[in-house]
Amino acid sequence: EPEVTQTPSHQVTQMGQEVILRCVPISNHLYFYWYRQILGQKVEFLVSFYNNEISEKSEIFDDQFSVERPDGSNFTLKIRSTKLEDSAMYFCASSEGFGSVANTGELFFGEGSRLTVL
Amino acid sequence: QQQVKQSPQSLIVQKGGISIINCAYENTAFDYFPWYQQFPGKGPALLIAIRPDVSEKKEGRFTISFNKSAKQFSLHIMDSQPGDSATYFCAANGGAEAAGNKLTFGGGTRVLVKP
Repeated sequence: EPEVTQTPSHQVTQMGQEVILRCVPISNHLYFYWYRQILGQKVEFLVSFYNNEISEKSEIFDDQFSVERPDGSNFTLKIRSTKLEDSAMYFCASSEGFGSVANTGELFFGEGSRLTVL
Repeated sequence: QQQVKQSPQSLIVQKGGISIINCAYENTAFDYFPWYQQFPGKGPALLIAIRPDVSEKKEGRFTISFNKSAKQFSLHIMDSQPGDSATYFCAANGGAEAAGNKLTFGGGTRVLVKP
């Protein structure tokens, strides 16, 4: 069964360092997302990406964050200068279509990348 | 207005019992209401979803009940099994296509099914 894959599974970094989290969405999917989950809390939307541009971002997704689809398969989240409060599980997701309209809108999540900022 | 409120935070049920999780929302533009199941160390996985044109949807042991006027929806897990022990999140989405398919999640319910 196709799946979303994420690397690394766990990254430990020092405050102020840059981090890049990588994702390979399902191959025929057109919409890509990043969500995060602080330990024990709910899953929060960060950003959605379609047609090589951001379609929506949350207030969490400030100037320290960026996303990129550098090639036909990868989708990356970069945090320029990490802060302690960036420590969380980051989930990449993808969907074939758009959820509220078509049945193809189901989001498929990866297993997450745990980021620990010291 | 974008919040989805979920209760209870945790739930213990005996094997064979019924688990009921409730969610409430404010944004009337929401028109898609999925439930996600998350096991420890894994990403959320879609369990079942409903749109507001129906009041109930059943898939196997899992049923969503939807009350549009009250802006509430719930998940019922019938004949709960130990393998159902997980965290369950309700979510909502909707509005214009420019909304980017953003899901707003509830706070999650940790369900423990005792054998």
